[in-house]
Amino acid sequence: QVQLVESGGGVVQPGRSLRLSCAASGFIFSDYTVHWVRQAPGKGLEWLAVISYDGSQRYSADSVRGRLTISRDNSKNTLYLQMNSLRVDDTAVYYCARAESSSWHNFDNWGQGTLVTVSS
Amino acid sequence: QSALTQPASVSGSPGQSITISCTGTSSDVGGYNFVSWYQQHPGKAPKLMIYDVSNRPSGVSNRFSGSKSGNTASLTISGLQAEDEADYFCSSYTGSNPFYVFGTGTEVTVL
Repeated sequence: QVQLVESGGGVVQPGRSLRLSCAASGFIFSDYTVHWVRQAPGKGLEWLAVISYDGSQRYSADSVRGRLTISRDNSKNTLYLQMNSLRVDDTAVYYCARAESSSWHNFDNWGQGTLVTVSS
Repeated sequence: QSALTQPASVSGSPGQSITISCTGTSSDVGGYNFVSWYQQHPGKAPKLMIYDVSNRPSGVSNRFSGSKSGNTASLTISGLQAEDEADYFCSSYTGSNPFYVFGTGTEVTVL
């Protein structure tokens, strides 16, 4: 079955960096576009970034551009989110989500999320 | 781009129908037929329930239905069951950065 497993979260001080990973299994990872979405404690969901199946297209939300970078390694079936210059308001659960095969717009499978806490 | 507006909570008795609204603008909900709905139980990952306004993924109960009128999309749950108690989020494609916006979320309670 489709599985997406995020890792790499933890407690980090403001200004530091972190790299999140999302390991995919149960489907042909290189065929699918994938997204990163986050959810701050007690808040709604926020879209962060998307990368096409082959990595040739990538888009990030203006609110995080320059600090958060999406990438993928299809040989390792893994999606990444490089997070730099972290701020307290980056504290959230970070999810990777697969886009449905025929459309980037529908997130048809999600991971369980990894919690990032930015605190001094 | 602001979050889409949803009621904070909706409740109903088992067997009843409830409707959750999701209000945006002509730049998101009203401009595209790319509205999705997600169910999220506490501590769990979101689950896609409706896509492209009114389509159900395979495996989702036909008790869930979606529609849209103007800048407002709606999710209706008919024959409410205890397992439907969860948070529900809508989302829409926006055509410009950020390319996707989510709703504020609605907590559904089964009385």
